[in-house]
Amino acid sequence: SQTIHQWPATLVQPVGSPLSLECTVEGTSNPNLYWYRQAAGRGLQLLFYSVGIGQISSEVPQNLSASRPQDRQFILSSKKLLLSDSGFYLCAWSVEGTPNEKLFFGSGTQLSVL
Amino acid sequence: AQKITQTQPGMFVQEKEAVTLDCTYDTSDPSYGLFWYKQPSSGEMIFLIYQGSYDQQNATEGRYSLNFQKARKSANLVISASQLGDSAMYFCAMREGWYGGATNKLIFGTGTLLAVQP
Repeated sequence: SQTIHQWPATLVQPVGSPLSLECTVEGTSNPNLYWYRQAAGRGLQLLFYSVGIGQISSEVPQNLSASRPQDRQFILSSKKLLLSDSGFYLCAWSVEGTPNEKLFFGSGTQLSVL
Repeated sequence: AQKITQTQPGMFVQEKEAVTLDCTYDTSDPSYGLFWYKQPSSGEMIFLIYQGSYDQQNATEGRYSLNFQKARKSANLVISASQLGDSAMYFCAMREGWYGGATNKLIFGTGTLLAVQP
């Protein structure tokens, strides 16, 4: 069965520090991968998605970047965190090909930038 | 323009009663999919139900049903016989394009916080 791992679960970082959040998927090949951010009390905003190794699409201009060094690994990074980067970050995956294809989400990372 | 609108920030329902969570959407693509997710306080996103734009019948999954009114562009979630464990944030989401093209991007609404009272 497929599983998605996301870590760390919580993170407190000072402004200006770097960031690296990692997400890995098991049990499937060539998944589509996504990073979403959820601000407190709000919906999910798509940040990045990837359809293959090294292929990253950005949805919104921001202080963050994403990379996909391996088929089932997706990394969210920042060189210098801003206060506005605080939020709940969710990694998700899907497999293209079925009409009712849904996203499977990781357990999320609560990032607090102080 | 906002593509998914959930106008109810919060809802209360008595245990064992039914509740309807509203969702309207906007798209010019004739092919699209509508999803509902549940997010308990733990933060995980749990898939509940899916409705395709070409589906003739409303989707049902156990106690969850989707009241799909295509002409009105609404996809309301109905939870029957509410349970205390149903207390959570509920998100409506839409994917445009059949098979989602190469991305299967889901666009989410702002959510409705449901509180089930004993």
